[in-house]
Amino acid sequence: QKEVEQNSGPLSVPEGAIASLNCTYSDRGSQSFFWYRQYSGKSPELIMSIYSNGDKEDGRFTAQLNKASQYVSLLIRDSQPSDSATYLCAVTQGGSNYKLTFGKGTLLTVNP
Amino acid sequence: DADVTQTPRNRITKTGKRIMLECSQTKGHDRMYWYRQDPGLGLRLIYYSFDVKDINKGEISDGYSVSRQAQAKFSLSLESAIPNQTALYFCATSVDRGELFFGEGSRLTVL
Repeated sequence: QKEVEQNSGPLSVPEGAIASLNCTYSDRGSQSFFWYRQYSGKSPELIMSIYSNGDKEDGRFTAQLNKASQYVSLLIRDSQPSDSATYLCAVTQGGSNYKLTFGKGTLLTVNP
Repeated sequence: DADVTQTPRNRITKTGKRIMLECSQTKGHDRMYWYRQDPGLGLRLIYYSFDVKDINKGEISDGYSVSRQAQAKFSLSLESAIPNQTALYFCATSVDRGELFFGEGSRLTVL
């Protein structure tokens, strides 16, 4: 069974701080990695995708991928109360680009 | 309007009833999926489809069936609903590298 592990949280940070969210995965064949944000009762929204080792930045968000360590992370700089949500890590199953395995999510709370 | 539309958004039904959740999309994507989300269990794949003639089971397909009526329409059926099928159901579409685009969700309660 391919697994994606995330700390369930809650992770609490003050407004303006950096929030760091982590994810490990078991399938060495995984090729694509995604971070979704999900507000309570709403659908997941794609915020970052990363496909190669290293960092990828988009505004206040930075995704980091280390395939050797099977580790992917999301950094949120200058955290805002509106960033308070559950963050889901998703990884394509080995060799495929059409089936994602999701972690159970990390609940982030940004305190004003 | 949402690119991926699910109906109904909320449904309460009784054990043993047949229920259908419908999904339509205007994104033009070939791949469509049905997921369910339960507290503490995350998102789990029920069925997925690459086109009208290609339908595949996911990790939790027992008790469910699907129909791909057209490239833009993908329906999920519960032939005889049971209480442990109470969940939030999401339809999604995807493109080449696997990223999913979700509908707004259908909350199903089976009494």
